[in-house]
Amino acid sequence: GAGVSQSPRYKVAKRGQDVALRCDPISGHVSLFWYQQALGQGPEFLTYFQNEAQLDKSGLPSDRFFAERPEGSVSTLKIQRTQQEDSAVYLCASGLAGAYNEQFFGPGTRLTVL
Amino acid sequence: SQQGEEDPQALSIQEGENATMNCSYKTSINNLQWYRQNSGRGLVHLILIRSNEREKHSGRLRVTLDTSKKSSSLLITASRAADTASYFCATDALTGGGADGLTFGKGTHLIIQP
Repeated sequence: GAGVSQSPRYKVAKRGQDVALRCDPISGHVSLFWYQQALGQGPEFLTYFQNEAQLDKSGLPSDRFFAERPEGSVSTLKIQRTQQEDSAVYLCASGLAGAYNEQFFGPGTRLTVL
Repeated sequence: SQQGEEDPQALSIQEGENATMNCSYKTSINNLQWYRQNSGRGLVHLILIRSNEREKHSGRLRVTLDTSKKSSSLLITASRAADTASYFCATDALTGGGADGLTFGKGTHLIIQP
């Protein structure tokens, strides 16, 4: 079956632009996570959804970052007024429930802010 | 912030040899997972070990967990060129209630020389 998909795969933005990154999780997966991975580092947790409810957004680095999952399936991570330090790979993962179980990762969106 | 630390940061061995990577973490956990990431790709789940388990096997993989030392090891036996990748350990916090994301280490970059 289809895995987690993310779009776009690559995004170049000028500093100050808004961007929207999309995640299509595996059908039926309740949990959805967003992570940010800087070059040479491990992923860092941004936010977690259980169905349409955003249960944890403690990892979002600033109020310029916003995520939603209005119908409990597709999720969008929006970054407003992008800064150079936002350049990273943004990974989406879905799973059956919580962080206790295996998470299935998408290929990521590589964001470069010029 | 990243909880885990993998050791070594980089490892280069000959095909057919065994590769051992270590991971240390800081807080009490429910589970510890190992993931693999090929260059420019998303993460692939390898194995999950629960906090009440001490050792687990999956194919050529062997994982150990020592909760008293807050450490884990991943052994890949009879390595192949296709095992070349970055390997990350990831933990979920005992107090998170499943609503937190995984906390990843910085990874071990493994190179298998043909």
